[in-house]
Amino acid sequence: LAKTTQPISMDSYEGQEVNITCSHNNIATNDYITWYQQFPSQGPRFIIQGYKTKVTNEVASLFIPADRKSSTLSLPRVSLSDTAVYYCLVGDGTPSSNTGKLIFGQGTTLQVKP
Amino acid sequence: EAEVAQSPRYKITEKSQAVAFWCDPISGHATLYWYRQILGQGPELLVQFQDESVVDDSQLPKDRFSAERLKGVDSTLKIQPAELGDSAMYLCASRRMANTGELFFGEGSRLTVL
Repeated sequence: LAKTTQPISMDSYEGQEVNITCSHNNIATNDYITWYQQFPSQGPRFIIQGYKTKVTNEVASLFIPADRKSSTLSLPRVSLSDTAVYYCLVGDGTPSSNTGKLIFGQGTTLQVKP
Repeated sequence: EAEVAQSPRYKITEKSQAVAFWCDPISGHATLYWYRQILGQGPELLVQFQDESVVDDSQLPKDRFSAERLKGVDSTLKIQPAELGDSAMYLCASRRMANTGELFFGEGSRLTVL
């Protein structure tokens, strides 16, 4: 299973764009990259998933370079309510295993200031 | 919107007592996960079910923890006897298939062992 490395914490201000980078050097060919958001005392919530290049949805963008050894979650114009822990996960898409095992790392604590 | 239901939301118990957590996944979701999250850390996978079968329980402390999903729908996680180090949030998650799609998490069950 691919291990992920993220910054422990980041600070930002309201209205700014925030980019959180995740390193996953031993990502497998069939692995997808998924990001989750977690608020205190709540379960994680899916943000976005991608395999390569760029994926965008209504809340975030995910940038994945050609070698797929890293990925960057981009949150446009953050607000105070975006203060949370963000997790990068790598896995799934392995046809032979079919186990769907997803391992969470330590995550990145994003603090948005007024 | 369908949700993953968990109960109890909070549980306080004394060490050496037995405790049980219940999870009802989203209807039609074949894959169910139990995670344990210690304060300040990422969720740790304890056990994964595919329908009623255990797919992965390599991180489940089997001397005191047990999990079942008898009819392939709802699931129970039991701890007996509870130890001080078991104090954590126990999260249940589900998804439709084993190796694709987002995980849907419940609100979690917070356990405090005194």
